[in-house]
Amino acid sequence: NAGVTQTPKFRVLKTGQSMTLLCAQDMNHEYMYWYRQDPGMGLRLIHYSVGEGTTAKGEVPDGYNVSRLKKQNFLLGLESAAPSQTSVYFCASSYSVGVPDRGYEQYFGPGTRLTVT
Amino acid sequence: DQQVKQNSPSLSVQEGRISILNCDYTNSMFDYFLWYKKYPAEGPTFLISISSIKDKNEDGRFTVFLNKSAKHLSLHIVPSQPGDSAVYFCAARAYNQGGKLIFGQGTELSVKP
Repeated sequence: NAGVTQTPKFRVLKTGQSMTLLCAQDMNHEYMYWYRQDPGMGLRLIHYSVGEGTTAKGEVPDGYNVSRLKKQNFLLGLESAAPSQTSVYFCASSYSVGVPDRGYEQYFGPGTRLTVT
Repeated sequence: DQQVKQNSPSLSVQEGRISILNCDYTNSMFDYFLWYKKYPAEGPTFLISISSIKDKNEDGRFTVFLNKSAKHLSLHIVPSQPGDSAVYFCAARAYNQGGKLIFGQGTELSVKP
């Protein structure tokens, strides 16, 4: 099992450019999440999904869009990148909360380092 | 509004001694708490968790203590090893928020040989 994978690992964008980050998981998890990590800020939730075809806003959703067309994939899009979106982006997945004995453990990908100039 | 706070950005400990990482929270609806460990250039990995109905959970060298009245939890690592050097994140889940977790800012632990 590869777990949670993210592509690309690194990316540099100019202000105003767009891009899509891809997250894939092979654990048959229902829930998927996108976070950003900034120095001194911990991990902040951008958007999340509780199942195929569903998405919801997290703590810092502005400037991002997401789609979950397939259960195993969760895409994060930046339509017009800004320097404030320079960050490390992590995708995570988990079982649904109704699964017994699984707790609320989320499994994370290795991250994408994005720089917007 | 930081609902989960880790007030120590860094901690340095000698190998073999105890490491104590602290976390405070403000939301009374949190019912489950987790600790994650993160090495540079990697994603966070789950370490240990505790339900709000317990006050202690132990897994090998790692023990998490929960003090609900003080809204405080701590992670004890005994004995500390150089390989434990990493950033540790505390996270919490509110019972009415599905699987969403709120993370603290992280504490960077350095274990010196």
